[in-house]
Amino acid sequence: AQSVTQLGSHVSVSEGALVLLRCNYSSSVPPYLFWYVQYPNQGLQLLLKYTSAATLVKGINGFEAEFKKSETSFHLTKPSAHMSDAAEYFCAVSARMDSSYKLIFGSGTRLLVRP
Amino acid sequence: NAGVTQTPKFQVLKTGQSMTLQCAQDMNHNSMYWYRQDPGMGLRLIYYSASEGTTDKGEVPNGYNVSRLNKREFSLRLESAAPSQTSVYFCASSEAGDQPTDTQYFGPGTRLTVL
Repeated sequence: AQSVTQLGSHVSVSEGALVLLRCNYSSSVPPYLFWYVQYPNQGLQLLLKYTSAATLVKGINGFEAEFKKSETSFHLTKPSAHMSDAAEYFCAVSARMDSSYKLIFGSGTRLLVRP
Repeated sequence: NAGVTQTPKFQVLKTGQSMTLQCAQDMNHNSMYWYRQDPGMGLRLIYYSASEGTTDKGEVPNGYNVSRLNKREFSLRLESAAPSQTSVYFCASSEAGDQPTDTQYFGPGTRLTVL
């Protein structure tokens, strides 16, 4: 069965500091991985996705993630945090169900940005 | 282009009451999904509809029913609400649903409290 694990339910950084949100996956087949962001009182929005075309994936708002098969990881980074990055971030893996696919989500990491 | 819309935004029910959560998308997507979000547990799939006229159970279907009314609309019904169904409910849609890299687009959510 496929799964993702997000290390750290809360991460706090200072404005301008590096953001690193961790995601490790478990999959017996090549995984397709996603990062979604949820701003307060809103739905989820796609940040980026790994489709096997390139191991370094660039997303919206300056975020990027690197797929590392040897470490079974897909960590999300941003060089310089902005106050507007404060949100909850979810890592997800695509899993087959019958003739379609579903997303299996991690438990989420809430990013706090200190002024 | 409104994307995915959900009604109502908030609802309070008493144990045993019934209600239907409505979802509609205007992106001509084939697949639609219902998730629930609980603190520390990420999002869990309740039911999905791979295409118009089909529905299937997800990870946590007990206590729920769904209807894919047409290609645009996918409703979730609670026949006899229980406090354990207190949660935030999200509807999502994807263009095809039969590709592992399909992006899911989420609605703004319905916050449900069952007393």
